[in-house]
Amino acid sequence: SQTIHQWPATLVQPVGSPLSLECTVEGTSNPNLYWYRQAAGRGLQLLFYSVGIGQISSEVPQNLSASRPQDRQFILSSKKLLLSDSGFYLCAWSTTGGGSSRAQYFGPGTRLLVL
Amino acid sequence: AQTVTQSQPEMSVQEAETVTLSCTYDTSENNYYLFWYKQPPSRQMILVIRQEAYKQQNATENRFSVNFQKAAKSFSLKISDSQLGDTAMYFCAFSASRGKLTFGKGITLSVRP
Repeated sequence: SQTIHQWPATLVQPVGSPLSLECTVEGTSNPNLYWYRQAAGRGLQLLFYSVGIGQISSEVPQNLSASRPQDRQFILSSKKLLLSDSGFYLCAWSTTGGGSSRAQYFGPGTRLLVL
Repeated sequence: AQTVTQSQPEMSVQEAETVTLSCTYDTSENNYYLFWYKQPPSRQMILVIRQEAYKQQNATENRFSVNFQKAAKSFSLKISDSQLGDTAMYFCAFSASRGKLTFGKGITLSVRP
């Protein structure tokens, strides 16, 4: 069966520090991968998605970036964090192609607090 | 662009009773998919149920069922025999040809003992 991991689970960082959040998927190959951010009590905002190694699409311009160095690894980064980067970050995967593969499956998330 | 609207910010239901969560969407696509996700206090998003737009039959998953009205662009979730573990935030989501999900703002459901 497929599983998705995210780490760290919780992170407290000072303003201006760098960021690296990691997401890995097991049990599937060539997945589509997604990064979302959720502010407290609000909906999900798609940040990045990837359909393959090295292929990243950005949905919202900001000081975050994403990379996909391996087929099942997705990394969210920042060189200098802002207070507004605080939130709950969720990674998700879906199979490629159509049909019910349109469903996305989410990891446990990372709580980021920027102070 | 697609939009998903969940107009009720919160609802409450007595344990063992039935509750319906509303969702409407707007799209010019003809082939698409609709989903309900549950986010419990742990905040992990869990897929509850999915519906393909080309299927007329409403999807069901145990105590969860949907009422899909394509012409009205409505996609409501019915939870039967509500349980305390159903307390969560519920998100309606839409996916069209490019595979990206558009989420509604969510509704907070509280199940009272």
